[in-house]
Amino acid sequence: AQSVTQLDSHVSVSEGTPVLLRCNYSSSYSPSLFWYVQHPNKGLQLLLKYTSAATLVKGINGFEAEFKKSETSFHLTKPSAHMSDAAEYFCVVSDLSNYQLIWGAGTKLIIKP
Amino acid sequence: DAGVIQSPRHEVTEMGQEVTLRCKPISGHNSLFWYRQTMMRGLELLIYFNNNVPIDDSGMPEDRFSAKMPNASFSTLKIQPSEPRDSAVYFCASSYTPQGYEQYFGPGTRLTVT
Repeated sequence: AQSVTQLDSHVSVSEGTPVLLRCNYSSSYSPSLFWYVQHPNKGLQLLLKYTSAATLVKGINGFEAEFKKSETSFHLTKPSAHMSDAAEYFCVVSDLSNYQLIWGAGTKLIIKP
Repeated sequence: DAGVIQSPRHEVTEMGQEVTLRCKPISGHNSLFWYRQTMMRGLELLIYFNNNVPIDDSGMPEDRFSAKMPNASFSTLKIQPSEPRDSAVYFCASSYTPQGYEQYFGPGTRLTVT
């Protein structure tokens, strides 16, 4: 069965410093992995996706994530945080048996001025 | 391209009333999902349709909730009768499963039951 664990419920960084949001997954086969972002009182937006092509995936707004099979990780990074990055981020793995998505609990990213 | 469209965006109703939430998926998508999001329980999948057919409704909380998808471009989620604990943001999402699993979300309907 597939599962996903986001290792931090909250991450706080200063504006201009790097961002690292950690995600580990469990899957019986090669998964599809996603990061979604939700800004306060907004809907969920697809940030990036991994589907067994390049292991380093680039997304919108300068974010990227690296798929590491040996570590079963899919961490999200950004070189320099911006105030507008303050949001909740969800790591998601696909359930290949039924096209459903398995959602992590979310990581709230706080940006300090 | 228009994204997923949901209506209404906000709904305030009294306990016991019927509530109907509406969703128009992205044109050409063949899967549709209804989610509920609350502070306490996070994001929960309620029901999932594929090619207009309900595939998995195990997340529907109880018989007061029902969902339909009469055609490929429209779905409804109905709550009858509504209760204060149904207050939440309800999201609709759609995907085109032959091309992958990513889902595209609507803006949500914020439901408040007083």
